[in-house]
Amino acid sequence: AQKITQTQPGMFVQEKEAVTLDCTYDTSDPSYGLFWYKQPSSGEMIFLIYQGSYDQQNATEGRYSLNFQKARKSANLVISASQLGDSAMYFCAMREGSNYQLIWGAGTKLIIKP
Amino acid sequence: AAGVIQSPRHLIKEKRETATLKCYPIPRHDTVYWYQQGPGQDPQFLISFYEKMQSDKGSIPDRFSAQQFSDYHSELNMSSLELGDSALYFCASSFASSGGTDTQYFGPGTRLTVL
Repeated sequence: AQKITQTQPGMFVQEKEAVTLDCTYDTSDPSYGLFWYKQPSSGEMIFLIYQGSYDQQNATEGRYSLNFQKARKSANLVISASQLGDSAMYFCAMREGSNYQLIWGAGTKLIIKP
Repeated sequence: AAGVIQSPRHLIKEKRETATLKCYPIPRHDTVYWYQQGPGQDPQFLISFYEKMQSDKGSIPDRFSAQQFSDYHSELNMSSLELGDSALYFCASSFASSGGTDTQYFGPGTRLTVL
């Protein structure tokens, strides 16, 4: 079974609109961390935001926020006031317990239209 | 702020050749990770090192080996290269801290092409 599921292969969004990228996860470990990364067409992998399983509040980093619904096992990324530079591939990833590796979703390709 | 450094950025090899990828983590980071990302795919974890000891192992082929040196830089050695090894290879680093996020920060990647 997939541990990280991103159901949106691609999305088109008008500039300045808010966008929500979906991510659901599957783990039986009570301790885990969820990460979102951005990968522009140039290839680098840029860390955006982190949510820990024990965090009481949703994480926020500038225009990025994470809608963390633990009971539903979802960790959706919300980008407010989208910009042309937000066009990229977005990956959701999870780290379980004391494991070192990140488990990745298939990614969502976001295209911002002017 | 200093980032993860990877060299070379691009590498072209023939089948059956060997390749060595280098990674210099962010200063004071003690953990290094290697990932392989094929075209149009998500990254696949290969191996990680914490304080110069292997800490986790993923889908790393037996033809590949890696180590972390005393100065914390790491090298990924790849032998008997195959066409399927063509990919973007990322190194990431983090600072292990109890109760911390251990966020992995990625280097720019090495794009390996095997002909």
